[in-house]
Amino acid sequence: GAGVSQSPSNKVTEKGKDVELRCDPISGHTALYWYRQSLGQGLEFLIYFQGNSAPDKSGLPSDRFSAERTGGSVSTLTIQRTQQEDSAVYLCASSLGGGAGPYNEQFFGPGTRLTVL
Amino acid sequence: AQSVAQPEDQVNVAEGNPLTVKCTYSVSGNPYLFWYVQYPNRGLQFLLKYITGDNLVKGSYGFEAEFNKSQTSFHLKKPSALVSDSALYFCAVGYNFNKFYFGSGTKLNVKP
Repeated sequence: GAGVSQSPSNKVTEKGKDVELRCDPISGHTALYWYRQSLGQGLEFLIYFQGNSAPDKSGLPSDRFSAERTGGSVSTLTIQRTQQEDSAVYLCASSLGGGAGPYNEQFFGPGTRLTVL
Repeated sequence: AQSVAQPEDQVNVAEGNPLTVKCTYSVSGNPYLFWYVQYPNRGLQFLLKYITGDNLVKGSYGFEAEFNKSQTSFHLKKPSALVSDSALYFCAVGYNFNKFYFGSGTKLNVKP
């Protein structure tokens, strides 16, 4: 079956512009995660959705970052007024979620490489 | 604070030799521990997890990991390394509200 897809695969933008990154999770997966992977760094947890709800937004780096999920499926990560330090690979993952919580393995998308000039 | 540490940026091993990739964690409560692998130009893939039960967990591609509560470690192991195992390996711990903490990654180089 189809895996997690993300678009665009690459995004180059100018400092100060807004960008939207999209994630399509695996069908039936209720949990969805966003991470950021900077060069030479590990994965930085950004936000988690269970259905359309995000119970913990504390991982978002600043108020320029926001995310939403509609219909329990597609999610969009928006970065406003991008800065050069936002340059990274943004990864999305989905899992079965629900009551099983952190027991479930995550399936990762290929990522969106964001470059802010 | 919850955290995961992978003390080695890189591990080099000869093909056919056993390999170990180290991971230690710090979390309040019961840890839910995972290993993921990232092959070049490919997304992260799940290898194995520890939730409860036997301390030795077996996963994909012949990998296994041992949960050691007293040492707060979850080292990844394989009895005989393959060149194709060369990749970036991440340890992760699951925590409250489905929050996950990932280590910084260890690059495994297996030489023929």
